[in-house]
Amino acid sequence: DIQVTQSPSSLSASAGDSVTLPCRASQNIHRYLHWYQQKPGKAPQLLISTASSLQSGVPSRFNGSGSGTDFTLTISSLQPEDFAIYYCQQTYSTPSFGQGTKLEIK
Amino acid sequence: QVQLQESGPGLVKPSQTLSLTCTVSGGSIRSGTYYWTWIRQAAGKGLEWIGRIFSSGSASYNPSLKSRVSISIDTSKNQFSLMLSSVTAADTAMYFCARDVADDAYDIWGQGIVVSVSS
Repeated sequence: DIQVTQSPSSLSASAGDSVTLPCRASQNIHRYLHWYQQKPGKAPQLLISTASSLQSGVPSRFNGSGSGTDFTLTISSLQPEDFAIYYCQQTYSTPSFGQGTKLEIK
Repeated sequence: QVQLQESGPGLVKPSQTLSLTCTVSGGSIRSGTYYWTWIRQAAGKGLEWIGRIFSSGSASYNPSLKSRVSISIDTSKNQFSLMLSSVTAADTAMYFCARDVADDAYDIWGQGIVVSVSS
């Protein structure tokens, strides 16, 4: 099984800041890595697919990068609606998700 | 636009079979380019992929659940379904259905349905 690690589990930031959320896979997954945002009581929303492809309708302040085992999601100029939990997901083998990073307001 | 909606019992007894249906509206489940997927999330926990199915009926499952899970599709009703047998409290979770747009990336999700396993 491929393990997906997101650390830290929580991160504090202020509106207007830029933040980088890391995601690491236990083996080479090439670019089979997607990012989701989840707000309380809601289904996750796909932000970025295959490491860096921004989904239609997602603001351009969201940027994904990486390949192999190390990936990042960068959110520039944080907006109030961006405070949520972010999950990465590998799909190189049986799909699996990281445990999430909760982005909190400082 | 395409929407997904889960339905089924919110309470299942231990050792019984959990059965859920996802109804697709605003588009055909027969569309040849999509897989249809089930994912679950225990309260306060992360996401777990359960399995997926194509319109042809070809399905694949998470190895950790494979012995207990079955996903089927009814194209005439524009629905796909999940059955999970021999449930325990560990199967208590919110269950989501989702559309796999490509490479197991899920672009459309249902709102989710909470299923509790309890006697």
